[in-house]
Amino acid sequence: AQSVTQPDIHITVSEGASLELRCNYSYGATPYLFWYVQSPGQGLQLLLKYFSGDTLVQGIKGFEAEFKRSQSSFNLRKPSVHWSDAAEYFCAYANFGNEKLTFGTGTRLTIIP
Amino acid sequence: DAGVIQSPRHEVTEMGQEVTLRCKPISGHNSLFWYRQTMMRGLELLIYFNNNVPIDDSGMPEDRFSAKMPNASFSTLKIQPSEPRDSAVYFCASSLSGISGGELFFGEGSRLTVL
Repeated sequence: AQSVTQPDIHITVSEGASLELRCNYSYGATPYLFWYVQSPGQGLQLLLKYFSGDTLVQGIKGFEAEFKRSQSSFNLRKPSVHWSDAAEYFCAYANFGNEKLTFGTGTRLTIIP
Repeated sequence: DAGVIQSPRHEVTEMGQEVTLRCKPISGHNSLFWYRQTMMRGLELLIYFNNNVPIDDSGMPEDRFSAKMPNASFSTLKIQPSEPRDSAVYFCASSLSGISGGELFFGEGSRLTVL
């Protein structure tokens, strides 16, 4: 069964510092990979996605993610976080041809001044 | 567009009662998904529809749960009878054409509490 692992349950970073959130997925020949963000009491919003092509993808709000097939990873990065980035972040994965999107358990991001 | 609209936003009910959650997808989207979010299990796909037809309901917990999509602009998720372990946030999401359509647009969720 396909699975997604987000090893960090909670991360705290200082405002202005860089950020990297980790995501690993179970092997798939043609993975579709996503990062979503959820603010308290809200639904999920897509940050970025990878289907094919350039392994470094740019998203909204200054986020980017890099697909590394050899490591089965799709880590999310941001060079300088803002207080408004505090939220829960979910990595998600699907195999080509399979509409079942599997979410990781999420990483809660706290920003300190 | 107003986005995916879910109702009610909050529902508190007693064990054994019937619960109906509603969803209006984004106009023009032909795929609709129901997810459940709990602290213990995270986000779980319950069922998804394509062109109003249920494609995969393997995530529906048990027979107490049922979902319908009578037309392209409306879907319901029903729990009968409800139990305390059904307490969760239920999200509806829609997309242009499944996962390959690129993006799932989520509603704000329906928070269900079963006492």
